[in-house]
Amino acid sequence: GQNIDQPTEMTATEGAIVQINCTYQTSGFNGLFWYQQHAGEAPTFLSYNVLDGLEEKGRFSSFLSRSKGYSYLLLKELQMKDSASYLCAVVMIKAAGNKLTFGGGTRVLVKP
Amino acid sequence: GAVVSQHPSRVICKSGTSVKIECRSLDFQATTMFWYRQFPKQSLMLMATSNEGSKATYEQGVEKDKFLINHASLTLSTLTVTSAHPEDSSFYICSASGRDTQYFGPGTRLTVL
Repeated sequence: GQNIDQPTEMTATEGAIVQINCTYQTSGFNGLFWYQQHAGEAPTFLSYNVLDGLEEKGRFSSFLSRSKGYSYLLLKELQMKDSASYLCAVVMIKAAGNKLTFGGGTRVLVKP
Repeated sequence: GAVVSQHPSRVICKSGTSVKIECRSLDFQATTMFWYRQFPKQSLMLMATSNEGSKATYEQGVEKDKFLINHASLTLSTLTVTSAHPEDSSFYICSASGRDTQYFGPGTRLTVL
């Protein structure tokens, strides 16, 4: 089976930086995704890591260490609109149709 | 990015009725679609994998006779919640598998009275 763990909630101040960690234990790892989900809406794609290292995309960056089974999503220059849940999801090798296994999600609350 | 639609966006029904939810990939063909259920303040829980032209693959604990899935074409999958009960009230989200990721529909809020 797979275990994907991330913190339940985090609170940060507008303009600050927040790092959301995700650890996973899987067999046949083939990539890790981060999604953002606002309440009552569908998840939207943020990033994809399959090789070790840091992927930067504007204010959002994602890091992966396959040997440690560890990833983080870094949100810089936080804005109020960044208040949302952030979902870490893993795809397995040979998973039909890129089947994703999701962590429990991290609710981020940005305060003024 | 690719567009996936869901219909209806919101449905309220009486206990015991059946509800059909449609998921369409609008600008690409999706051999595989996924159906998720999400309860308040929880993450997405995969219910089943919908494969075009074949039977769906259900996750452990999901009743295939209660949640009927049909994937008759490369752009349409349907989920029918049969004999719905209040505990089936949830947010149902579909996704279509693209080249590198999954593209999610906007979700359907089901409320069973």
